[in-house]
Amino acid sequence: KAGVTQTPRYLIKTRGQQVTLSCSPISGHRSVSWYQQTPGQGLQFLFEYFSETQRNKGNFPGRFSGRQFSNSRSEMNVSTLELGDSALYLCASSLEGPGYGYTFGSGTRLTVV
Amino acid sequence: AQSVTQLGSHVSVSEGALVLLRCNYSSSVPPYLFWYVQYPNQGLQLLLKYTTGATLVKGINGFEAEFKKSETSFHLTKPSAHMSDAAEYFCAVSNSGAGSYQLTFGKGTKLSVIP
Repeated sequence: KAGVTQTPRYLIKTRGQQVTLSCSPISGHRSVSWYQQTPGQGLQFLFEYFSETQRNKGNFPGRFSGRQFSNSRSEMNVSTLELGDSALYLCASSLEGPGYGYTFGSGTRLTVV
Repeated sequence: AQSVTQLGSHVSVSEGALVLLRCNYSSSVPPYLFWYVQYPNQGLQLLLKYTTGATLVKGINGFEAEFKKSETSFHLTKPSAHMSDAAEYFCAVSNSGAGSYQLTFGKGTKLSVIP
């Protein structure tokens, strides 16, 4: 079966712009999570959605937001980009949550210049 | 709050030697524990997970890990390293309680395999 699909794979944006990243989970998975990976901070949790509801949010500023659609696809948005937002953004899906294990996508590499 | 400590940011082993990657966790409730592997320019692949039941967990590619509650550890082992095992490995914890929907990751251990 198809895995977790993230688009685009690579993105270059200018400081101050906004960006939207997309994630299509494995069919049947209702939980979608987002993580930011940087060399300095490692893997950090952004937020988790289940059936269109945000169940948990990490310690990120309000510039980071997300949503989930009725078909479980998810998007995350970062407004007013800063250089420090350059990172690999990973989406993960699960049937219902951590106990089922998460399957990760290949990520979107965002570079802010 | 939960946390994960991976001892050793970089581990080198010879091909055919034992692989041991260490992970200690902190959790206020019974944990769910995971090991993920990441190859360059790729996402994370689940190697194995512990939720409940048997404390020795077998995963893909010959890896296994043992949950030791008394030591709050979940070390990853493989009897014989292969060149294809060279990658970065992440240990992660999640609380099993209701309302816990995030993984907390360790900083990762980069495994090098010497031919």
